[in-house]
Amino acid sequence: AQKVTQAQTEISVVEKEDVTLDCVYETRDTTYYLFWYKQPPSGELVFLIRRNSFDEQNEISGRYSWNFQKSTSSFNFTITASQVVDSAVYFCALSETKTSGSRLTFGEGTQLTVNP
Amino acid sequence: EAGVAQSPRYKIIEKRQSVAFWCNPISGHATLYWYQQILGQGPKLLIQFQNNGVVDDSQLPKDRFSAERLKGVDSTLKIQPAKLEDSAVYLCASSLGGALYNEQFFGPGTRLTVL
Repeated sequence: AQKVTQAQTEISVVEKEDVTLDCVYETRDTTYYLFWYKQPPSGELVFLIRRNSFDEQNEISGRYSWNFQKSTSSFNFTITASQVVDSAVYFCALSETKTSGSRLTFGEGTQLTVNP
Repeated sequence: EAGVAQSPRYKIIEKRQSVAFWCNPISGHATLYWYQQILGQGPKLLIQFQNNGVVDDSQLPKDRFSAERLKGVDSTLKIQPAKLEDSAVYLCASSLGGALYNEQFFGPGTRLTVL
């Protein structure tokens, strides 16, 4: 069965610190996609990034960067120079193949609090 | 472009009562999902529709939960009768299709409290 583990339940940092959110996944599929979503206090999940299993190139987008390592089944997310507005719950998710279509399996989430 | 709409935003009921949630997906999105998110946990898929057909309801407690997507657009999720453990946020999401790579767009959710 597919599984996503986010070992960090809560992280608290001071503004301008860098912070890395860890994600480890398990799957038997050779083709899969990994996602990161952000859930601010308003409750609506917001898509951040998608990465497929054949693309291990790391990506930087502004203050965000992602490190995908297939050898360790990890897909970590780093926020550089964190801001108070980054405070939210962050979810890592894995898209698995089913008989018809696909299913998204979420981790338990990491609550990030950025203090001024 | 309008996002996924859900109503109501909040609902409080007593156990054994019935409740229904409504979702309007993004225009043109063929795939619609209902998730249950219990406090402190990640969302768990309840049911997935492709147009007006069900493609995955394996995690839907069918003795009390039901969902429909008539005409392949709006959808309703019903709980009858509700139990205390149904207290959660119910999220609706939509995507262009059901492929592995399709990102899902989420609505604001309905927070259900069962007393």
